[in-house]
Amino acid sequence: VQLVQSGAEVKKPGESLKISCKGSGYSFTNFWIGWVRQMPGKGLEWMAIIYPGDSDTRYSPSFQGQVTISADKSITTAYLQWSSLKASDTAMYYCARIFAGTTSYFDYWGQGTLVTVSS
Amino acid sequence: QSALTQPASVSGSPGQSITISCTGTSSDVGGYNYVSWYQQHPGKAPKLMIYEVSNRPSGVSNRFSGSKSGNTASLTISGLQAEDEADYYCGSYSTSSTLRVFGPGTKVTVL
Repeated sequence: VQLVQSGAEVKKPGESLKISCKGSGYSFTNFWIGWVRQMPGKGLEWMAIIYPGDSDTRYSPSFQGQVTISADKSITTAYLQWSSLKASDTAMYYCARIFAGTTSYFDYWGQGTLVTVSS
Repeated sequence: QSALTQPASVSGSPGQSITISCTGTSSDVGGYNYVSWYQQHPGKAPKLMIYEVSNRPSGVSNRFSGSKSGNTASLTISGLQAEDEADYYCGSYSTSSTLRVFGPGTKVTVL
């Protein structure tokens, strides 16, 4: 199992952004996959998860309406996007696979995508 | 603000055992056996160390063990080694609107 994320991004406040996470080595459509934020020097916060098989999604209340999770099963890739970035979105973002169902644990993690938002 | 609580730091000498606690409620840790633990070294991605309270993934040292009593889960590291110095996060399923939660993390220092 491998999750390979897109590279670091530097953006200005108000800009849009879409980061990606390509899964390989497993049946992409049969496992939930999610995004976890880690702000500088802080802990882990789960943001959103998606089931690529039918695009069912769940959002943490803290991030509902702030980001959009999506997936393209034809290229086994999950995405996280922002329509208008804020300085407070500066963080490392990890994608991670969920072993089984929405209640389960994150068993494989991507290497992280650093997003920096600064004017 | 995390729904789970962990000590900010725990330390021990090489060879000793340490235990990290993770306290929640009956809506998360206490109500279900869906507690997991993650190790994160500086600048690295988290790594799953324990799942479903006490199970170790393939490849994780048997020096790591997990348990749960009531609303508190615990991660024990026995035979502490320098490479165990890292941040450790607990995670749990939650029946609250959050669905899943992480603890704030515990920094383990090997003296």
